[in-house]
Amino acid sequence: ETGVTQSPTHLIKTRGQQVTLRCSSQSGHNTVSWYQQALGQGPQFIFQYYREEENGRGNFPPRFSGLQFPNYSSELNVNALELDDSALYLCASSTWTSGIDEQYFGPGTRLTVT
Amino acid sequence: TQLLEQSPQFLSIQEGENLTVYCNSSSVFSSLQWYRQEPGEGPVLLVTVVTGGEVKKLKRLTFQFGDARKDSSLHITAAQPGDTGLYLCAGSISNFGNEKLTFGTGTRLTIIP
Repeated sequence: ETGVTQSPTHLIKTRGQQVTLRCSSQSGHNTVSWYQQALGQGPQFIFQYYREEENGRGNFPPRFSGLQFPNYSSELNVNALELDDSALYLCASSTWTSGIDEQYFGPGTRLTVT
Repeated sequence: TQLLEQSPQFLSIQEGENLTVYCNSSSVFSSLQWYRQEPGEGPVLLVTVVTGGEVKKLKRLTFQFGDARKDSSLHITAAQPGDTGLYLCAGSISNFGNEKLTFGTGTRLTIIP
């Protein structure tokens, strides 16, 4: 186990609704990254938070937003849900040491939008 | 747009056989990581390679980073059913820290007992 936890495990929402996903990072890690993994594909980077500030964003619309808290836990918020938002949402925590950013993933939240 | 292409996409072999999975890109990466993911779980980090030409071994798994740091391979010797899973390579472009990982398309490996 990586020590990264996510909640909830599964979630079903309807189109147009809003959702909040949560992630607790591994002890000692100050960076959290969020990824979307559609069925049969590799994870796609959504954004990253470092010390409570957004530190890079992938190709996702503004209705995907996030927060990082002083204890380095994080939330991913998605507004106006669309059917294509159905995916496994992964968070990964890391800390940059010796020039390498090794990311450790949580088990994911499976979101289904109907 | 996926910057990392993995091949093969699917691989099913008998227990005891050897196999190689490839991860190719036109981009240069400062580091490359390999993960294994099982159904319903997040990816688990197997190894990180940083130097061009670097070879790392993890029991029966051998990882190599290409000399130009654009490609990588994963070789499994004497595959076992426990090796079954989705293998993902992921590259980091910047070495200034806290950069996004760009994931490959994945190789789904099935080892038949």
